[in-house]
Amino acid sequence: DAGVIQSPRHEVTEMGQEVTLRCKPISGHDYLFWYRQTMMRGLELLIYFNNNVPIDDSGMPEDRFSAKMPNASFSTLKIQPSEPRDSAVYFCASSLGGADEAFFGQGTRLTVV
Amino acid sequence: AQSVTQPDIHITVSEGASLELRCNYSYGATPYLFWYVQSPGQGLQLLLKYFSGDTLVQGIKGFEAEFKRSQSSFNLRKPSVHWSDAAEYFCAVGPRSNDYKLSFGAGTTVTVRA
Repeated sequence: DAGVIQSPRHEVTEMGQEVTLRCKPISGHDYLFWYRQTMMRGLELLIYFNNNVPIDDSGMPEDRFSAKMPNASFSTLKIQPSEPRDSAVYFCASSLGGADEAFFGQGTRLTVV
Repeated sequence: AQSVTQPDIHITVSEGASLELRCNYSYGATPYLFWYVQSPGQGLQLLLKYFSGDTLVQGIKGFEAEFKRSQSSFNLRKPSVHWSDAAEYFCAVGPRSNDYKLSFGAGTTVTVRA
């Protein structure tokens, strides 16, 4: 398996634009997690899914953020409209079980100017 | 609420020397405990984890960690550091429940000097 695949690796966008981050989890993994990493706040869990169903989105910072998982092999994290303070590295991770090892993608570095 | 503290923001160690990274957690019960490593520009990779049993856990790349319940600690160690160990290290805790939310520490950056 190629591991967790995220795209794009880098994204630069202007404030107010819509941004969509994509993630393909490892095949067979039932859990998918979206994290955000910043210098100020470290790694924060934004939302996680179990069997494509959102279980906990309490970490989603604002209504501007939304995440979907239409099927077992694809998830998106959308920010609309984007703001400079959204600049961060966004990681997607997947695991077989929630408390099992989480495999991380390489991340998407988002810069909002 | 659960929390993780990594007291050392940055550690510099000579190649071949030993390394110990500290991790303390605050939680009502014994949580699941993890150490992850992040190389520059990469995602996180699991080094080792503790769920139960032997409190000394062996991981990949020659790392080990010891769970000490009395000290609420889960320190990571390596007897002899290699230049490739230069990275950022994260301790994480997760509850023993259906709430699969890992809490990560702020990370410790390790620099290895020749």
